[in-house]
Amino acid sequence: AQSVTQLDSQVPVFEEAPVELRCNYSSSVSVYLFWYVQYPNQGLQLLLKYLSGSTLVESINGFEAEFNKSQTSFHLRKPSVHISDTAEYFCAVSASYGKLTFGQGTILTVHP
Amino acid sequence: DGGITQSPKYLFRKEGQNVTLSCEQNLNHDAMYWYRQDPGQGLRLIYYSQIVNDFQKGDIAEGYSVSREKKESFPLTVTSAQKNPTAFYLCASSNQGRNEQFFGPGTRLTVL
Repeated sequence: AQSVTQLDSQVPVFEEAPVELRCNYSSSVSVYLFWYVQYPNQGLQLLLKYLSGSTLVESINGFEAEFNKSQTSFHLRKPSVHISDTAEYFCAVSASYGKLTFGQGTILTVHP
Repeated sequence: DGGITQSPKYLFRKEGQNVTLSCEQNLNHDAMYWYRQDPGQGLRLIYYSQIVNDFQKGDIAEGYSVSREKKESFPLTVTSAQKNPTAFYLCASSNQGRNEQFFGPGTRLTVL
């Protein structure tokens, strides 16, 4: 079985500041890793994913995450956030086809 | 446009009544999933189905039932046996051999 821990339930930050949302996982087998974003009262949207290959993955809106196997982490970073990045972010892991295990979520609030 | 639809967006029911939540996808995905979301708890898997006429219990299946008679549809029934049904319910689907899931907009169920 696998588990995911998002280390911060809430992260407040000012606009244009950098941000890091932390995610650690545990699994006895190789995993695939995902970050999803959820805006209020909406479904989840896939932000980025690590399946294999380069350990640094990027999204189209400036987020990036690095898979660190030795530290079992997949932290999400953005060098400069916008007000529109305010949302809840979920880290998820899959060790077998189809089944995702989600973290508890991190609420990112960007202040002007 | 391809996607996943859930209806209704908001649903109110009296305690003791069964209620069915709709989920339809036109992505031609084989697998479909139902999650429950509660504040601060992330997403928890209720049921999933990898092919038509077959489905498996997730982590919190008690008090719920599903059917998968068509590839496009995966309705969820919240029965009166579910002790605390008020929550945000999310449906998702994925393609054969791929791990990322695509989510619908969700249904917020309130039991009065």
